[in-house]
Amino acid sequence: NAGVMQNPRHLVRRRGQEARLRCSPMKGHSHVYWYRQLPEEGLKFMVYLQKENIIDESGMPKERFSAEFPKEGPSILRIQQVVRGDSAAYFCASSSGLAGGSFEQYFGPGTRLTVT
Amino acid sequence: RKEVEQDPGPFNVPEGATVAFNCTYSNSASQSFFWYRQDCRKEPKLLMSVYSSGNEDGRFTAQLNRASQYISLLIRDSKLSDSATYLCVVYASGGSYIPTFGRGTSLIVHP
Repeated sequence: NAGVMQNPRHLVRRRGQEARLRCSPMKGHSHVYWYRQLPEEGLKFMVYLQKENIIDESGMPKERFSAEFPKEGPSILRIQQVVRGDSAAYFCASSSGLAGGSFEQYFGPGTRLTVT
Repeated sequence: RKEVEQDPGPFNVPEGATVAFNCTYSNSASQSFFWYRQDCRKEPKLLMSVYSSGNEDGRFTAQLNRASQYISLLIRDSKLSDSATYLCVVYASGGSYIPTFGRGTSLIVHP
């Protein structure tokens, strides 16, 4: 039973380019969370999605960032016109959600984005 | 006051020692609590849930003190492999599915 998968593991983008980060949740999980972690900082919640729905995006910057979780395929976190300050580790986590009786989240290995 | 606070440490202990961390939370209506472990440059891994009655898993014991609004993690007989950052996670009540992570407490176990 594969865990949460994220790709790419490392991504280098020049300022102004777009970054697309992908996350496939654990089998049987329909809830996905995205987090950002800066060096020496804690995890910051960005967005919470279920299939085809954004449930809470209160942690997402208003501009340049978007997320989706289509009916088929992985969840995508998209960052347009990247700036150096976007350099961070982006983690995705999945859970079965309240309907599944659990708040427990399982994390993917993360994508380390470097903006040059 | 921050929603979830942890002493960043580092806690520097010898092998075999017992060490305890606390994590305080500000929302008295918080309902669900967890401890995660994060190794350097790796993803957080679920360590254990924290139940009202306490929870023990081998050398690890987690407890909840609602009156004082904190959770604790006790590690007995520390191993070198326990060296990591320990994150506490709190979910508020009212149907919120959004967790708040503490910044973590660093533990270094030395020979």
